Formats: sequence, structure tokens, C-alpha cells
Amino acid sequence: QQQVKQSPQSLIVQKGGISIINCAYENTAFDYFPWYQQFPGKGPALLIAIRPDVSEKKEGRFTISFNKSAKQFSLHIMDSQPGDSATYFCAASMGSNYQLIWGAGTKLIIKP
Amino acid sequence: DTAVSQTPKYLVTQMGNDKSIKCEQNLGHDTMYWYKQDSKKFLKIMFSYNNKELIINETVPNRFSPKSPDKAHLNLHINSLELGDSAVYFCASSQGIVRETQYFGPGTRLLVL
Repeated sequence: QQQVKQSPQSLIVQKGGISIINCAYENTAFDYFPWYQQFPGKGPALLIAIRPDVSEKKEGRFTISFNKSAKQFSLHIMDSQPGDSATYFCAASMGSNYQLIWGAGTKLIIKP
Repeated sequence: DTAVSQTPKYLVTQMGNDKSIKCEQNLGHDTMYWYKQDSKKFLKIMFSYNNKELIINETVPNRFSPKSPDKAHLNLHINSLELGDSAVYFCASSQGIVRETQYFGPGTRLLVL
């Protein structure tokens, strides 16, 4: 119930293509869904986040799509660039619970 | 000016030794965290302090002991190091509860031989 399942584990996309990473959850009490980006040798950094009262949030080339009924959310990277190559983590949290539940991560490689 | 800093950046040590990792944040945040990231990149929360009070204490061996001398510092002491402790340890901070953005440090790469 507490898990967040992330897929795929790794992803290779051509430059200019669309990268899509998916996450699924079971606990309907989750109400905050952030995505973090981690470059090699660095700590994760918040990329974009969504709450379940909206179905989509866009920031530049990055979009979160949220499907409450399916209990799924996904990250779309449009016009993917080699500089987007990183590991991406989805996460979820609920109410007053202090803890973020993390997905297992997706290693994204953008080929020039 | 580094927001969340950790020392040391690398730590190579023998099994059975005791070591400490220090973390400092200059963001004025009141919540700090320790995470362990294994070789498969999986992030596992270990501890969290809010205003120097322990609020998350996940199932980790009691060889790991956090200490928060003040809101800006959260240190991690590890006794009797084991091979399985080899990982990257990240400190993070946030303002308020976890739905706020967490700011991560650069990590401490621990290798136990």
C-alpha cells in the first residue's frame, strides 16, 4: 500500500524525442507527487510536483500527467536533450505523514 | 554558497571501524533528513529531524545513530561498519513537513573494505 512503482528501470531516447516515465501507487491517501532529477555524482533535485486536484502540470519541456482513477502519474520530457540524461525519481506523500515514498528510479539516456 | 553541505565527500574505511558524516544547511530550514542510496540507485530514508526532534526513524541497524546539535546540523555516526554499509549517504533539508521541497547535499560515498 505504501509503495510507488516506477517504470521503466532504464530508458534510451533519441535527441528531440519524447521521454515518458510512469509511476503507479496504491494508497489513495497520497496527495503530493514530486519528481526529482539526479545527475551522476550529485544529489537529487526537485524537478516538478503535482497535487491530485489537477490532471496535468507543465514546466517548460517537463509535464506531469496525473490519472487519479488509475492511480498513476507520469513524467513527459518533450524535445529530449542530452543534458536531460539523468536518473529520475517519482515520489508520493500524504497528509501529515512526513515521509516521502520513493520510486526505484529510471535511468534516462538521451542519444545525440 | 553551498545550501546543504556534507563532509567528507568520500570515506574509505575498514570493517569494524566507527565513522561519522557531518551535514550542515544554511537555508534556515527546520527539517533535515538522512538517506541511503545503494548501488542500484534506490533511495531509502533513514532518519528525519524537525526542530532537533526525531520524527522519522526507519528500520535501520542501531549501529546508525543520528545527532542534531541544532537546526542547521544533522550528523550521522556509524558504529562497527559492515560491508553492506557501503553506499552513498545523502543529507537533505526542507522547510516544514515533507511536502515541502527537499534540498539534497552532494552525498558522501562510503566504501567499507
